[in-house]
Amino acid sequence: QVQMAQSGVEVKKPGASVKVSCKASGYTFTRHGVTWVRQAPGQGLEWMGWINPYSAMTNYAQSLQGRVTMTTDISTSTVYMELRSLRTDDTAIYYCARNDNGGNDYFDPWGQGTLVTVSS
Amino acid sequence: QSVLTQPPSASGAPGQRVTISCSGSSSHIGRNFVSWYQRIPGTAPKLLIYADNQRPSGVPERFSGSKSGTSASLAISGLQPEDEADYYCAARDDSLNAWVFGGGTKLTVL
Repeated sequence: QVQMAQSGVEVKKPGASVKVSCKASGYTFTRHGVTWVRQAPGQGLEWMGWINPYSAMTNYAQSLQGRVTMTTDISTSTVYMELRSLRTDDTAIYYCARNDNGGNDYFDPWGQGTLVTVSS
Repeated sequence: QSVLTQPPSASGAPGQRVTISCSGSSSHIGRNFVSWYQRIPGTAPKLLIYADNQRPSGVPERFSGSKSGTSASLAISGLQPEDEADYYCAARDDSLNAWVFGGGTKLTVL
């Protein structure tokens, strides 16, 4: 079945960078976009951006422009999300999710989440 | 502050029907499909409703979605204890060229 498997827990200091991976399986990797969403403690879901694995085209949330980069490795069906200049308010669970490719605009399935803690 | 507006909480007794609203504007809900997600603490979000009112296979018929103008709703009938979770609506925002979420509604089964 379709699965999105994410990398493990990360603990970083303010100012550092983090790179989270998301390995897709069970479908043709280049036929679906992948979205990243995060959830800070006690907060709601925040859309971070999207990447098209076929074209490598990206679209990032305005609030993260300049700090986030999403890339793909087609040979391993893996998407990466790198966030730089980390701040304490970047502490959150980071999720990847497969985009629908039929014009219905939804995310399914989601990865299990990666906890990123930013603390001095 | 979230772009889509949801009530922070909702509750109901087992067997009852609960409705969760999601309010937006013409730049997102008014012109694009709404999807709904269930997040049980400690687990990843799960797709409940897509394209305003479509249920993925495996989602019980107790869950239904609707939309009118710039507002959408998720209804849960025959409430069960395992429905206790956070629920989020989402839609694409054409003016932001981004997807936006509601702030989430915490559903308590009394």
